[in-house]
Amino acid sequence: AQSVTQLGSHVSVSEGALVLLRCNYSSSVPPYLFWYVQYPNQGLQLLLKYTSAATLVKGINGFEAEFKKSETSFHLTKPSAHMSDAAEYFCAVSDQRSHSGGGADGLTFGKGTHLIIQP
Amino acid sequence: NAGVTQTPKFRVLKTGQSMTLLCAQDMNHEYMYWYRQDPGMGLRLIHYSVGEGTTAKGEVPDGYNVSRLKKQNFLLGLESAAPSQTSVYFCASSYGTSGGQETQYFGPGTRLLVL
Repeated sequence: AQSVTQLGSHVSVSEGALVLLRCNYSSSVPPYLFWYVQYPNQGLQLLLKYTSAATLVKGINGFEAEFKKSETSFHLTKPSAHMSDAAEYFCAVSDQRSHSGGGADGLTFGKGTHLIIQP
Repeated sequence: NAGVTQTPKFRVLKTGQSMTLLCAQDMNHEYMYWYRQDPGMGLRLIHYSVGEGTTAKGEVPDGYNVSRLKKQNFLLGLESAAPSQTSVYFCASSYGTSGGQETQYFGPGTRLLVL
């Protein structure tokens, strides 16, 4: 079974500071990894995804994430936080086995990290 | 394109009542999903569909039923609502499997309160 752990249910950074949101995954087969963002009272929007091409993935709004197989991590970063980045961030995992009929389809999500931006 | 839409946006039910949540997508996607979101729990998959006329159970299917009579619609039913089903429900869709790497597009959610 696959799983995702997001360290820190709440992360607070100052405007202009580095944003680092941590995600570790567990999967017995090569994973596909996603970061989604949820603004208040809205649905989820894809920030970026790793699909086994480049290990450094660039997404929207200046975010990027690096896949590190040795650390089973896919941490999300942004060099300079903006007030508009305040939101809930979810890391999610999918793998090829789940889409070959061997188990539940869909994504397995972490519990989320609430990003707070201090002025 | 409207993308993924959900009806209703908010609903209050009494224990034991039934209701149906409607999800519609206009992107010609094959796959559709229903998730529930609870505080501190992330999103959990309830049921999913890999095409018209097909459905399958996800991680937390108990107490829910689904139907996919038309490709663009995916219905989630609660036959006898319980307070434990108080949650925010999200529908999502994707083109179809490419080994699990496809982006899922989410609707705005339905807030359900069961008293």
